[in-house]
Amino acid sequence: NAGVTQTPKFQVLKTGQSMTLQCAQDMNHEYMSWYRQDPGMGLRLIHYSVGAGITDQGEVPNGYNVSRSTTEDFPLRLLSAAPSQTSVYFCASSSGFHTEAFFGQGTRLTVV
Amino acid sequence: AQSVAQPEDQVNVAEGNPLTVKCTYSVSGNPYLFWYVQYPNRGLQFLLKYITGDNLVKGSYGFEAEFNKSQTSFHLKKPSALVSDSALYFCAVRERGNTGKLIFGQGTTLQVKP
Repeated sequence: NAGVTQTPKFQVLKTGQSMTLQCAQDMNHEYMSWYRQDPGMGLRLIHYSVGAGITDQGEVPNGYNVSRSTTEDFPLRLLSAAPSQTSVYFCASSSGFHTEAFFGQGTRLTVV
Repeated sequence: AQSVAQPEDQVNVAEGNPLTVKCTYSVSGNPYLFWYVQYPNRGLQFLLKYITGDNLVKGSYGFEAEFNKSQTSFHLKKPSALVSDSALYFCAVRERGNTGKLIFGQGTTLQVKP
């Protein structure tokens, strides 16, 4: 089983460029989320979704867009990258409120 | 708004000694509580969760956690630490009835020395 798959694993962007981080899960999970991990800050929730067609903002949504057109995919878009978005990004999915989340391996993004 | 606090950036313990990693939370109502572990350059792995019932929850790799409603705490414990337990540990909370938002603490680095 693939679980949660994130692509790419590494990415370097120039300030102002746009890109999409991909996240796909094959477990038919309804809940999906994007987090960023920065030293000393833990994991901070960017956006989350409770099902196809439904998304909501997390703790740090500014500068990021998401959509959820299918149950399997939850892409994260950076419209105009900034150095402050240099971070490690994790996608997670779970089947319900009370179940554990499964995480992808992360995308290390550097904005120069 | 829900929040999680892990008051210690790092916990140091000798191999064979008991360990505790602290977590306190703030939610309106009863929470779902989770512990995750992260090894270097890896994603997060689930350790254990509290949903309801017995306040002492047992999880993977010999870890356990105690839910204390009055102190709004969910401390992670292990009776005898191993060097291989050295990692970054995260506590997380989700409100019941919430639309699925899972919030994490800042993380605590556990260092187990031989």
